[in-house]
Amino acid sequence: DQQVKQNSPSLSVQEGRISILNCDYTNSMFDYFLWYKKYPAEGPTFLISISSIKDKNEDGRFTVFLNKSAKHLSLHIVPSQPGDSAVYFCAASASTSGTYKYIFGTGTRLKVLA
Amino acid sequence: DTGVSQDPRHKITKRGQNVTFRCDPISEHNRLYWYRQTLGQGPEFLTYFQNEAQLEKSRLLSDRFSAERPKGSFSTLEIQRTEQGDSAMYLCASSLASGANTDTQYFGPGTRLTVL
Repeated sequence: DQQVKQNSPSLSVQEGRISILNCDYTNSMFDYFLWYKKYPAEGPTFLISISSIKDKNEDGRFTVFLNKSAKHLSLHIVPSQPGDSAVYFCAASASTSGTYKYIFGTGTRLKVLA
Repeated sequence: DTGVSQDPRHKITKRGQNVTFRCDPISEHNRLYWYRQTLGQGPEFLTYFQNEAQLEKSRLLSDRFSAERPKGSFSTLEIQRTEQGDSAMYLCASSLASGANTDTQYFGPGTRLTVL
């Protein structure tokens, strides 16, 4: 039962344009959401997070949007740069349920073309 | 400012052998997590500690797996009688319990295990 889904395994975007990565979840108890970036042979690197009490959080070129009614979140990267090429994972937790584990999606490989 | 470190980075072993991995969290972090990642999948939760107490274990953590965090600082993950299906990247993460239920986990570089 995949509680966090990233339905696009890959995405290619031209340098300077917007990259939009999507994530859907099924568990209504999730209250904290995060995006991580992963390069090969490295651990995931934290990018940005959002609590369920918000619908948008912005940090530089990265913005995360949360639509609770649709159980959907997205990561926008503007402008995209070649160094952004990596695998992006969304993750969710249901911390108010007393667990702090993250449930991850399967990832989207982003390729930014120069 | 040192991040999460893991040792070794790579481990190749033969089926049936025991292996042990070490994780050193960010120094002030009181929560420590172990995840496993296989090809094409996201990280999957194995277990977590708050200080030295192991508070949650996944069903993925079979009897052959044991994790410890004896002094609330570094942690070890041991796999006994390794099987080929144990081949994966083992990731450690740490976080600081903030009381807001939204602590962010920071990951180490992982230990890549290959069981022959």
